Amino acid sequence: NAGVMQNPRHLVRRRGQEARLRCSPMKGHSHVYWYRQLPEEGLKFMVYLQKENIIDESGMPKERFSAEFPKEGPSILRIQQVVRGDSAAYFCASSRSGSLETQYFGPGTRLLVL
Amino acid sequence: GQQLNQSPQSMFIQEGEDVSMNCTSSSIFNTWLWYKQDPGEGPVLLIALYKAGELTSNGRLTAQFGITRKDSFLNISASIPSDVGIYFCAGLNTGGFKTIFGAGTRLFVKA
Repeated sequence: NAGVMQNPRHLVRRRGQEARLRCSPMKGHSHVYWYRQLPEEGLKFMVYLQKENIIDESGMPKERFSAEFPKEGPSILRIQQVVRGDSAAYFCASSRSGSLETQYFGPGTRLLVL
Repeated sequence: GQQLNQSPQSMFIQEGEDVSMNCTSSSIFNTWLWYKQDPGEGPVLLIALYKAGELTSNGRLTAQFGITRKDSFLNISASIPSDVGIYFCAGLNTGGFKTIFGAGTRLFVKA
């Protein structure tokens, strides 16, 4: 069984460019969560999606950030016009039932904005 | 918003020693979780606690859900080099979507 997959594992962008982070949940999982981790800090919730629907995006900045989880394909976290402060590790997690304690995390995408 | 204070921030111990770390909150949680994160990887769930006062073990790991529901601790007995990593506590409330994470305890084990 493949676990949660994220790609790319590392992404370098210049200020003003766009970053697209992809997350393929575990097989059979229809709930996806995105978190951001700054250096020396814990993970901070960003958004919760369930196939084609955004359930809760209260942790996501209102501007420049968007997330989707289409019927087919991976979940995408998109950051437009990146700034240096967007540099962080972005993790997605997936679960089968939406029960948070059973969520499985991917290896993360480390974004560096120059 | 809800915050978790995790201590200590880091620990340097000798192989074979026992380790204890804890997490406190200004507000109540219905569920406490402990995760371990290895370098370059995502967090892996170690133990989940669902009831105040609950004591749960997973191999050499033991965790407790505090009676006040505002704290939890994790003990690791007889540490080994592969215990190295960052240990996060996390709390959530029934029906909520957001898991609140502590800042982590960085464990270093000297062989």
